[in-house]
Amino acid sequence: QLVLTQSPSASASLGASVKLTCTLSSGHSSYAIAWHQQQPEKGPRYLMKLNSDGSHSKGDGIPDRFSGSSSGTERYLTISSLQSEDEADYYCQTWGTGIALFGGGTKLTVL
Amino acid sequence: QVQLQESGPGLVKPSETLSLICIVSGGSISSYYWSWIRQPPGKGLEWIGYIYYSGTTNYNPSLKSRVTISVDTSKKQFSLKLSSVTAADTAVYYCARGYGGNSGPFDYWGQGTLVTVSS
Repeated sequence: QLVLTQSPSASASLGASVKLTCTLSSGHSSYAIAWHQQQPEKGPRYLMKLNSDGSHSKGDGIPDRFSGSSSGTERYLTISSLQSEDEADYYCQTWGTGIALFGGGTKLTVL
Repeated sequence: QVQLQESGPGLVKPSETLSLICIVSGGSISSYYWSWIRQPPGKGLEWIGYIYYSGTTNYNPSLKSRVTISVDTSKKQFSLKLSSVTAADTAVYYCARGYGGNSGPFDYWGQGTLVTVSS
């Protein structure tokens, strides 16, 4: 069964870097995912599509501070030079034949 | 710039049918997958279902018996109907565009509309 798992929370200091993880269920290491950002009281915003080989394509206007990487069933979102506006919920999303689903989301706190 | 805008009643009575429309502007409706997603207050995102521009649909198995998604390509809009609603269906409802096959990544989102189920 296709499942995405995310840690509920993460924190990092202003100006530092943080790496968020999304884990695909066993047997799904070839799946691409997407990362979405949801700032407080706003709708989700597409950040990027991340492939199993680590290649990624970002959405319109997404800064270079956001990057993605992959290893096995793990998909990562790295945010460098953290800014206050990066404090948000981050969701990973994947898709398969006739289905789409989200991870539970990670709440990122910028200290 | 592609824009999506949801519209519909903000209040629906229990046991009735929730109906929403999403209007697409700034881009084509063809060759894309059009999804509905919802988010209960304080919770995460849940995919409801999608429709391909040609009319093919797929729904979340947990909602399949109550969901209908349709598309009107001439008006560049697609719609959601969710029947027999209960308080558990109270959520912000988003529409989104997917690309590349099997709903794909959602690269454009509407701003969302809050639907409350209450008598």
